Amino acid sequence: GAVVSQHPSWVICKSGTSVKIECRSLDFQATTMFWYRQFPKQSLMLMATSNEGSKATYEQGVEKDKFLINHASLTLSTLTVTSAHPEDSSFYICSARDSAAYPYEQYFGPGTRLTVT
Amino acid sequence: GQNIDQPTEMTATEGAIVQINCTYQTSGFNGLFWYQQHAGEAPTFLSYNVLDGLEEKGRFSSFLSRSKGYSYLLLKELQMKDSASYLCAVRKYSGAGSYQLTFGKGTKLSVIP
Repeated sequence: GAVVSQHPSWVICKSGTSVKIECRSLDFQATTMFWYRQFPKQSLMLMATSNEGSKATYEQGVEKDKFLINHASLTLSTLTVTSAHPEDSSFYICSARDSAAYPYEQYFGPGTRLTVT
Repeated sequence: GQNIDQPTEMTATEGAIVQINCTYQTSGFNGLFWYQQHAGEAPTFLSYNVLDGLEEKGRFSSFLSRSKGYSYLLLKELQMKDSASYLCAVRKYSGAGSYQLTFGKGTKLSVIP
């Protein structure tokens, strides 16, 4: 099946610094990628939808200036958490939609665990 | 918005059969997915239904009734490794080639010997 990679798998950073997370579709092109956040014992919450070559669409309550998304190519999207704070500590998961193959399912990356101290 | 409801927790015995239900309300329905998620890991795809009926895939089957806004995931011959959270997700078509997948809160299944 299709593979989506994420890097790094985990990161610890100090409050006030920025962290960049990369999401790559390895064997398919993804015009659309999604960024989710998952807090302990809760379900995945969609943060934003990223379309290649255009601005991301953010869900209500997600600060676009804090969570910068860049989808510069058909295989790469990045999420930058700017000025991170302890409450941003979470499990961030990206997924990429294979729009060339029915049922156009979303494949998920392995996730990035962010801890802000 | 979309409302997706599924039980929070279930327990079943190894070798048994368990059914996890999911009800939803949405406009622009474009399919229902089931994912399995082990603790600390990303979800993995289990099944997809867009038409009414049963889809079978080995030990796992998924059923959809669009008129009732209802789906279930059936797991047969349960194994200890099936202990995980099972996420029901509904895809909505928002127009202009845009799709969005919304997840339920997940059902934590514990398989006991």
